[in-house]
Amino acid sequence: KAGVTQTPRYLIKTRGQQVTLSCSPISGHRSVSWYQQTPGQGLQFLFEYFSETQRNKGNFPGRFSGRQFSNSRSEMNVSTLELGDSALYLCASSIGSSNQPQHFGDGTRLSIL
Amino acid sequence: GNSVTQMEGPVTLSEEAFLTINCTYTATGYPSLFWYVQYPGEGLQLLLKATKADDKGSNKGFEATYRKETTSFHLEKGSVQVSDSAVYFCALRRGLTGGGNKLTFGTGTQLKVEL
Repeated sequence: KAGVTQTPRYLIKTRGQQVTLSCSPISGHRSVSWYQQTPGQGLQFLFEYFSETQRNKGNFPGRFSGRQFSNSRSEMNVSTLELGDSALYLCASSIGSSNQPQHFGDGTRLSIL
Repeated sequence: GNSVTQMEGPVTLSEEAFLTINCTYTATGYPSLFWYVQYPGEGLQLLLKATKADDKGSNKGFEATYRKETTSFHLEKGSVQVSDSAVYFCALRRGLTGGGNKLTFGTGTQLKVEL
């Protein structure tokens, strides 16, 4: 069974640009969550999508947005990039119920120049 | 709000030593508790979980017991190996009522095991 796939693995952008990251969950998983990992702030929850609807949202500015498609694949978008957006962005999927564990992808490393 | 506190790292041990990484939490209701491990350049892997008080999660020689009275979920292993070197994260998820899948993580504890 294939794991959670995140693309691209590495990305370099400049300030002011926008970026889109992609996450393909494990087959059959309907919940996709996104996290930002930085040395200073650690792992922080961005948002969760379930059946194409945002179910939970963290404390990030509106520049961070996401969506989920009918096949459960998800994308997150960051507009007007800032230096502080440099981070490892992790996607996690689960079947959907709160009783099931989440499985993480290897992340997208975003660097802002 | 919910929070998780982990002991600061790095923790450096010799191979075959006993490992304890402390984790305490603050949460309302009955959260589920998890330990995740992250190897360099990779995402997080679920190591073990416990969903109710007194549950013991175990995997690959690691164990942790959900202690509601002390709000703790300490990770232990009787004999560590060099291959256990990684960063370990304690995390909680709110209980079933209105929970969703949001995980709240501790800051992570880096473990280095030397020969």
